Amino acid sequence: QQQVKQSPQSLIVQKGGISIINCAYENTAFDYFPWYQQFPGKGPALLIAIRPDVSEKKEGRFTISFNKSAKQFSLHIMDSQPGDSATYFCAARDVGNQFYFGTGTSLTVIP
Amino acid sequence: DVKVTQSSRYLVKRTGEKVFLECVQDMDHENMFWYRQDPGLGLRLIYFSYDVKMKEKGDIPEGYSVSREKKERFSLILESASTNQTSMYLCASRGQGRTYEQYFGPGTRLTVT
Repeated sequence: QQQVKQSPQSLIVQKGGISIINCAYENTAFDYFPWYQQFPGKGPALLIAIRPDVSEKKEGRFTISFNKSAKQFSLHIMDSQPGDSATYFCAARDVGNQFYFGTGTSLTVIP
Repeated sequence: DVKVTQSSRYLVKRTGEKVFLECVQDMDHENMFWYRQDPGLGLRLIYFSYDVKMKEKGDIPEGYSVSREKKERFSLILESASTNQTSMYLCASRGQGRTYEQYFGPGTRLTVT
């Protein structure tokens, strides 16, 4: 049973466009929601994270939007660049400090 | 700088062979994890360890075992490799407490023929 559902599985965006990846969860005890970025041949690396007491967090071109009532959160990449082409994973942490990952989204930004 | 290293980037083994995947972290982290990554399935937790000689099963432990004799080293063992264990294996480590982030190694691409 997938604790964190992620969509879409793949995404193609034009350079300069906005990339949006969505995640949903059921466990209301999750208290930390990170996004990871993974380039081919590398392990995932933390990109940006949010706690459920805020609705939005922005770091440069990357923004997490968090909707606690809907149990959804999303990653927005503004002004997408070819260098952003990677696989993105959302995740959620439970009270036992265990992380649960989404299934990943393969993003391709075309010039 | 945080570092998690894995012994091999690519590995090809035959069905029935015993396979060892090694992971080393240099951050003095208490917690270490083994995941496998498959397309469309994301990251699935195989085993984790919160201390030396301690281990806990994750979501998919069948066919795997682990060993943690030293704090910095966590090994994943496939006792008798099978073709359905062909996958990308990721090791991760994390400090104790809820303020710590999880750091991943570069992964080992294992092919079992």
